[in-house]
Amino acid sequence: NAGVTQTPKFQVLKTGQSMTLQCAQDMNHEYMSWYRQDPGMGLRLIHYSVGAGITDQGEVPNGYNVSRSTTEDFPLRLLSAAPSQTSVYFCATTQDGTSSYNSPLHFGNGTRLTVT
Amino acid sequence: AQRVTQPEKLLSVFKGAPVELKCNYSYSGSPELFWYVQYSRQRLQLLLRHISRESIKGFTADLNKGETSFHLKKPFAQEEDSAMYYCVLNTGKLIFGQGTTLQVKP
Repeated sequence: NAGVTQTPKFQVLKTGQSMTLQCAQDMNHEYMSWYRQDPGMGLRLIHYSVGAGITDQGEVPNGYNVSRSTTEDFPLRLLSAAPSQTSVYFCATTQDGTSSYNSPLHFGNGTRLTVT
Repeated sequence: AQRVTQPEKLLSVFKGAPVELKCNYSYSGSPELFWYVQYSRQRLQLLLRHISRESIKGFTADLNKGETSFHLKKPFAQEEDSAMYYCVLNTGKLIFGQGTTLQVKP
């Protein structure tokens, strides 16, 4: 049982390049989400999904796309990277849809992205 | 607006001193609140939930709806409590505060 797996751990992009951050979970969790962590800003929600085929925007969705074709995977796409997207990205999942009373968020180890 | 505010970026105390990490929220519905913690080189993890009224690692947090606060407290800080602490509000999506770094000095 690997939990939440994020790849890659580190990535350097040039402005304008595209890439996909991968998030996979093996806990059969319905709710999956992406956050970015920036100094002084805490974690800000980018996009989230309450189940396969359903996605919605968080606080800072611009510049990012997501899809949820399976329960297990929730990739985050940067279509044209910008220096403002330099950050640490975390994928997080919970069992009970959006309710966390009985199921805490499980986090991946994070992806450190630098855009030059 | 749905918002979580942690006014202190850094809180530095000596071992054995009391600790209070502040959290205020803005939400028109019935709040569901949590504290998450990130120790050095570890993943973010749940510390405690308001619904449980539990004490975890000596920490407690009481929901005060009148003041819209959910402050985290511990009577005697330990060096191993040094970490980043996040207050989290569940409104159907999970909203994090800015985080407070707790530094417990020997």
